[in-house]
Amino acid sequence: GAGVSQSPRYKVTKRGQDVALRCDPISGHVSLYWYRQALGQGPEFLTYFNYEAQQDKSGLPNDRFSAERPEGSISTLTIQRTEQRDSAMYRCASSLAGSPGNTIYFGEGSWLTVV
Amino acid sequence: GNSVTQMEGPVTLSEEAFLTINCTYTATGYPSLFWYVQYPGEGLQLLLKATKADDKGSNKGFEATYRKETTSFHLEKGSVQVSDSAVYFCALNAGGTSYGKLTFGQGTILTVHP
Repeated sequence: GAGVSQSPRYKVTKRGQDVALRCDPISGHVSLYWYRQALGQGPEFLTYFNYEAQQDKSGLPNDRFSAERPEGSISTLTIQRTEQRDSAMYRCASSLAGSPGNTIYFGEGSWLTVV
Repeated sequence: GNSVTQMEGPVTLSEEAFLTINCTYTATGYPSLFWYVQYPGEGLQLLLKATKADDKGSNKGFEATYRKETTSFHLEKGSVQVSDSAVYFCALNAGGTSYGKLTFGQGTILTVHP
């Protein structure tokens, strides 16, 4: 597609349920990133992939969070046993490669509300 | 660790006023620097970037110069428009062991009145 596509755009879930957020990067982009953004804050890095390999998961807050990109294209961020503090916007982004000067393109984000 | 500090908002200006949004950073090595913008109801998009010291990034009338000596990347525009109302984020990519990830500031809300 023309841009980074995320789904669902809005998700309300009950505490304790599992949630899966999907990201479809720009075609041909090697690197894919997940960020989390709380209200009034800048995005915070969660994890990133080059192709299907998870290169860095240092930003994942705990073991309830996981991400995969099995075929090097679409990625899924999964949050197990959701808690209210997980409520935030989850942004996916992609770039041609993970070089520091390359432009990283963001999707519109998935708003998650845990009630 | 790496960090980005932006001037606190919100910033409110009249149309055609001069804009400066301050951004300073802490990073090891030689990071690349970015300004991202989020317009109301839209996603985050790159406004401009600079990849080495003394580079000037520019786009849509906005400019920012990478100043290594002051570790700054201030955003400026000579004459703002109502359509510039948005949230502006300064960010860096430090490369090295942080290869592939951006560190963002907290964002500055800009409102421009006619």
